[in-house]
Amino acid sequence: DGGITQSPKYLFRKEGQNVTLSCEQNLNHDAMYWYRQDPGQGLRLIYYSQIVNDFQKGDIAEGYSVSREKKESFPLTVTSAQKNPTAFYLCASSPEGGPTDTQYFGPGTRLTVL
Amino acid sequence: AQKVTQAQTEISVVEKEDVTLDCVYETRDTTYYLFWYKQPPSGELVFLIRRNSFDEQNEISGRYSWNFQKSTSSFNFTITASQVVDSAVYFCALRDFIGGYQKVTFGTGTKLQVIP
Repeated sequence: DGGITQSPKYLFRKEGQNVTLSCEQNLNHDAMYWYRQDPGQGLRLIYYSQIVNDFQKGDIAEGYSVSREKKESFPLTVTSAQKNPTAFYLCASSPEGGPTDTQYFGPGTRLTVL
Repeated sequence: AQKVTQAQTEISVVEKEDVTLDCVYETRDTTYYLFWYKQPPSGELVFLIRRNSFDEQNEISGRYSWNFQKSTSSFNFTITASQVVDSAVYFCALRDFIGGYQKVTFGTGTKLQVIP
């Protein structure tokens, strides 16, 4: 089955610790994205990558970092510099990152910082 | 600036009622795409429809229909004969290309509760 997997579904970390969220896709999509969702709010773009070894900051990149060493993987690191990291994180991918693309989403990771 | 407004925060309907979810958007671009996604309690966003700015035909898919009107910058979503499984948060999104950069802007979502 083709799709996007995110692990783990729930993640707890102590304040001040970095944490890495996993995102893998086997759809052979070129573009991948990370969004943050807070209660009662829409999705906000953190980072996106249109091809391997290239990525761009989104609207709220501060305190986050990413890498794109493989086409199928786009891990997100939430660093200690992120002031309010508790949120629901959604990864998405799209075929080319082009104008007619549709983004397809993974099941999300709920991060709670204690 | 791009903006997507979903003014209805929460809607409750009784099963089998029809319900319309409103979406109003703002963009300076002449070429853009509009989307609707469904987010069930599990959290994953499920793609429902994409519509480009040059295609104002209404779309029907089973119990779902969409009404796109450029004159009012609206892209409303109607569920006919609602079912409990329709209970979810629904997001409208806009993809445009201001200054050569593409951007997807999501609305804040409408939570739909269908009561049996």
